[in-house]
Amino acid sequence: EDKVVQSPLSLVVHEGDTVTLNCSYEVTNFRSLLWYKQEKKAPTFLFMLTSSGIEKKSGRLSSILDKKELFSILNITATQTGDSAVYLCAVESGGSNYKLTFGKGTLLTVNP
Amino acid sequence: EAGVTQFPSHSVIEKGQTVTLRCDPISGHDNLYWYRRVMGKEIKFLLHFVKESKQDESGMPNNRFLAERTGGTYSTLKVQPAELEDSGVYFCASSQVDSKNIQYFGAGTRLSVL
Repeated sequence: EDKVVQSPLSLVVHEGDTVTLNCSYEVTNFRSLLWYKQEKKAPTFLFMLTSSGIEKKSGRLSSILDKKELFSILNITATQTGDSAVYLCAVESGGSNYKLTFGKGTLLTVNP
Repeated sequence: EAGVTQFPSHSVIEKGQTVTLRCDPISGHDNLYWYRRVMGKEIKFLLHFVKESKQDESGMPNNRFLAERTGGTYSTLKVQPAELEDSGVYFCASSQVDSKNIQYFGAGTRLSVL
């Protein structure tokens, strides 16, 4: 059965800190890995990673995938209180259905 | 452009009753997915439509759950009769049929079965 493990489950930091969130996976027929940010309601899309070693960047957020070691990291630099959210990692497996397998998420709290 | 919308945002019903959840995908998205998150667990796949056809319903828990997507636009997920363990947040997502297939999620429907 496909499996995605995120760590830590919860993290509390101060504004300005840099954080690294981890995601490891075991899936058959890997297609892509996605990161989402969930505040109060809908998970919002951050990144899709398909190739090893290529960093995706958006402002203070960046992510990279290692397909040999089967993990990804999400970095947030100079954190702000608005970064407080649950960060979800999901892996898309092969076949024709594109279903996502999610980890439990990392709850990030950024204090002023 | 409107995102994925789900209705209702919260439903409280008694065990044995019927509930119908609705999802309106992003316009033009042929792929539509249902997921569920029960308390303390990760979000789990339920099923996938391509237009009006069920592509994969391997995640549906049992035959008390029925999903439809008549006409290939909005979808409904009916639970009949509801049991206590059906409580959770039901998410809908949609995506275009292209090489990226990025899934965009709705805010979810929180179902509480008492």
